[in-house]
Amino acid sequence: KQEVTQIPAALSVPEGENLVLNCSFTDSAIYNLQWFRQDPGKGLTSLLLIQSSQREQTSGRLNASLDKSSGRSTLYIAASQPGDSATYLCAVIPASGAGSYQLTFGKGTKLSVIP
Amino acid sequence: GAGVSQSPSNKVTEKGKDVELRCDPISGHTALYWYRQSLGQGLEFLIYFQGNSAPDKSGLPSDRFSAERTGGSVSTLTIQRTQQEDSAVYLCASSLGGPAVNYEQYFGPGTRLTVT
Repeated sequence: KQEVTQIPAALSVPEGENLVLNCSFTDSAIYNLQWFRQDPGKGLTSLLLIQSSQREQTSGRLNASLDKSSGRSTLYIAASQPGDSATYLCAVIPASGAGSYQLTFGKGTKLSVIP
Repeated sequence: GAGVSQSPSNKVTEKGKDVELRCDPISGHTALYWYRQSLGQGLEFLIYFQGNSAPDKSGLPSDRFSAERTGGSVSTLTIQRTQQEDSAVYLCASSLGGPAVNYEQYFGPGTRLTVT
């Protein structure tokens, strides 16, 4: 059964710092990995999707990398801003088996950017 | 264009009552998913629809939970005889196609269900 772990569970940084959020998964046979952002009391906003054949994706100040063989992904946020404060979730879709349709989520990293 | 919408946004119900939660996916999206987010449990998959059929119902926690989708669009998640442990945020997502083709899932704002 796929398990997704995110470390750290919470992170507090001063505004302007660059930071890295980590995601690891136990089964490297995945179709894709998706990073989301969730604001308190809100749904999920998709940030980046990395297909299994890709190694990274970039969107503005965000860069996500994927190392399938080691079961790891990182989300890099450059020049952090207070508006980046949210919970960041990573999720994977397994490549095969009965669970091929479901996203398996980590429990998230709660980020606070201090002005 | 419009995103995924869900209704109601909040629902408070008494233990033992039935509830219906609604999801309107993005127009043209053939795949629809239901997830549940509970405190301390994270996000759990419930069910996946491709068109009107549900090839994967493996996440439904008990036979009190059921879902249907009509016209390849709107979906309803029904919880019968609600229990306090059903209290959670229920999230719906849709994607252009099935997950095997790497389509991104877009989430609605969720329905917060509280069972008293």
